[in-house]
Amino acid sequence: NAGVTQTPKFQVLKTGQSMTLQCAQDMNHEYMSWYRQDPGMGLRLIHYSVGAGITDQGEVPNGYNVSRSTTEDFPLRLLSAAPSQTSVYFCASMGWGGEQYFGPGTRLTVT
Amino acid sequence: SQKIEQNSEALNIQEGKTATLTCNYTNYSPAYLQWYRQDPGRGPVFLLLIRENEKEKRKERLKVTFDTTLKQSLFHITASQPADSATYLCALVRDYGGSQGNLIFGKGTKLSVKP
Repeated sequence: NAGVTQTPKFQVLKTGQSMTLQCAQDMNHEYMSWYRQDPGMGLRLIHYSVGAGITDQGEVPNGYNVSRSTTEDFPLRLLSAAPSQTSVYFCASMGWGGEQYFGPGTRLTVT
Repeated sequence: SQKIEQNSEALNIQEGKTATLTCNYTNYSPAYLQWYRQDPGRGPVFLLLIRENEKEKRKERLKVTFDTTLKQSLFHITASQPADSATYLCALVRDYGGSQGNLIFGKGTKLSVKP
């Protein structure tokens, strides 16, 4: 069981570039989500999905897109990167008891 | 709006003592509350979950209490060890149903246990 995996671990983008952060889980969890973590802010929910084909916005969705074509994968797309999107991004899936399993994170810098 | 506060940014204690971390919330009655541990450069790791109708939960040296009248959860680590040094995050879930995975996190308390 790999749990929740994320790629890449680190990424540097220039303002205006786009990219996709990958997330996959092998636990057959229906619910998956993306958070960003900034110093002094705590983790904030970007988007979430309650199952394949269903996504919804969290607290800070602007500038990000998601899709969920399979149970396993939940990619996060940055459409046009901005310096304000410099952050650490965590993907998570929810177990049957409500506990969340987080990936190792992607550290993104936008210059 | 929903607010969740962890009272201390940092807590320093001596090995063997009990660490007590506090989490307070306002404006909502959460369905349940969770505690996570986060080490530098890593994702949060789930520790304990306590539901609104539960007063206390234990797991090995960890204990969580949940007081819905005070709107407060306390997280205790007994017989603390240097390996317990980490940042501990409190998170609450407002609803059951489809959005029950939507966690609202506190900013965390960084615990340092000195030998």
